[in-house]
Amino acid sequence: ELKVEQNPLFLSMQEGKNYTIYCNYSTTSDRLYWYRQDPGKSLESLFVLLSNGAVKQEGRLMASLDTKARLSTLHITAAVHDLSATYFCAVEMGNQFYFGTGTSLTVIP
Amino acid sequence: EPEVTQTPSHQVTQMGQEVILRCVPISNHLYFYWYRQILGQKVEFLVSFYNNEISEKSEIFDDQFSVERPDGSNFTLKIRSTKLEDSAMYFCASRYLTGTSRGGEAFFGQGTRLTVV
Repeated sequence: ELKVEQNPLFLSMQEGKNYTIYCNYSTTSDRLYWYRQDPGKSLESLFVLLSNGAVKQEGRLMASLDTKARLSTLHITAAVHDLSATYFCAVEMGNQFYFGTGTSLTVIP
Repeated sequence: EPEVTQTPSHQVTQMGQEVILRCVPISNHLYFYWYRQILGQKVEFLVSFYNNEISEKSEIFDDQFSVERPDGSNFTLKIRSTKLEDSAMYFCASRYLTGTSRGGEAFFGQGTRLTVV
C-alpha cells in the first residue's frame, strides 16, 4: 500500500517567516495534490502537480514535485495569519488519492 | 462556481441504526468518491464509483457499507448498522476525466459529520 508521510506534523511559525512542508511517498507516482483544510471544513484544492519537476505558485505558497525522489514540497513565503490551516498532500495511484498525515500550521502574529 | 454538495451537514444516530449520506457531485464529473476522516486523523479512502459501479474500495468499505447513484445526480453512502467507530467526517468527492487519461484534482464536498452514540 502506498504510504504518504508529511513533516512536520505541527508547525508554528511567526508572521513574515518562510518555511517548507515536506511530503514523501513510498511508490512511484507522477500525480500529487495539495489541499488545505480549515477546522471543521472541507478540503480545498491548492495545487495539482502532474509531472516531474512541476512547480506551481499561488500567492505565498509554492509547490514542487520531484518524482524521482518521491518528494513534494510546499513552501510558504512570508507567512501571514490567514495561512493557518492544516495542509494535506495526496498522491494519486490507481483511482485513489492517498492522503498524507497532514501538517497543522499556525502562524503567530 | 460548481461545487459538490452534501447533506446533511451533521447527523447523529444511535448505534445499530442505518444512515444514508447524500452527495450531489459536480454535474459533468464522471468519477465519484467517498472518503472519511476520523477526528484529528488523516483522510482515508473508502470507495470510488464509475459508470454506475464500484471501481475500487478499501478494506474499510466492508459489507456494512454500500453506495449507489439512484437518479443520475445523487450519490449516496449507506451504512447499514452503524458502530461507534463509524463516527467521522465523511467527504464526497468528484472529478472529471477526459478520454482514458487520469488526472485533475478531486473536488470535495463540505462533509457530513456523523456521530454515532
